[in-house]
Amino acid sequence: GNSVTQMEGPVTLSEEAFLTINCTYTATGYPSLFWYVQYPGEGLQLLLKATKADDKGSNKGFEATYRKETTSFHLEKGSVQVSDSAVYFCALSDPWNTDKLIFGTGTRLQVFP
Amino acid sequence: DGGITQSPKYLFRKEGQNVTLSCEQNLNHDAMYWYRQDPGQGLRLIYYSQIVNDFQKGDIAEGYSVSREKKESFPLTVTSAQKNPTAFYLCASSTTGTFPFNYGYTFGSGTRLTVV
Repeated sequence: GNSVTQMEGPVTLSEEAFLTINCTYTATGYPSLFWYVQYPGEGLQLLLKATKADDKGSNKGFEATYRKETTSFHLEKGSVQVSDSAVYFCALSDPWNTDKLIFGTGTRLQVFP
Repeated sequence: DGGITQSPKYLFRKEGQNVTLSCEQNLNHDAMYWYRQDPGQGLRLIYYSQIVNDFQKGDIAEGYSVSREKKESFPLTVTSAQKNPTAFYLCASSTTGTFPFNYGYTFGSGTRLTVV
C-alpha cells in the first residue's frame, strides 16, 4: 500500500548547522508530496509541497525536491535556528483518493544555541 | 481571516462520560478530518468526511462518532466506549476534486482531552 517513511528522531543540532530529514515514500501513480511542521502544543502547518517529479518546494529557508527515481522528498535547511525546533511530518496524497493525505510518523528536531 | 477553529483547547472528562469536540471552518472546504495524536506519536485518522451528510471511518474509529450536517462543522464525540481517550485531537479540512493536484490540509490548533 501507499506509505511514508521518515527517519527517527530526535535530530539534535547546534544553531547554524545544516539540516537533513529523510523521507521516502511508496506509492502507485504520482502523488503530491508535503512537509508539515508542528510546534509544541499546536496543530500542523503546511511548510512546503511539490506536485510532480523534480519540483522543488521551498519556504522559510527549507527546501525539498521531489525525486521520483529514489522515491524521496528529503527536507533540508542550510542553517537552522533555535526557533526551528519542532516536529516535522512528511506526507503524500493518496493516488487513489487524491483528497486524502498519508502522514509519516514525524521527526522531532531540537536545535540548541 | 479564513481558518479552522477547534474548541475547547483543553477538555477534562470523567470516566464513563461522552464528550464532544468542536471543529468549525470558514474556508469553504468540502472535506474535513479528525486525527488523534498520542505523545511522541504520529497522526492516526479517526473519521473523515468529503461531503455534507456523509463520512467514513478511518483507522481507529472505534469509540468515536461524528456528524456532518453542515459544510462548516464536523464535531467529534468521544464516547465512553473509547477505552483510552486521553490524547491530542486535531481537526483538518481540505478542498476536493482538484485531481491531479492536492493542495494539502489546513489544521486547527487542536484539543487536548484528559480523562480524570
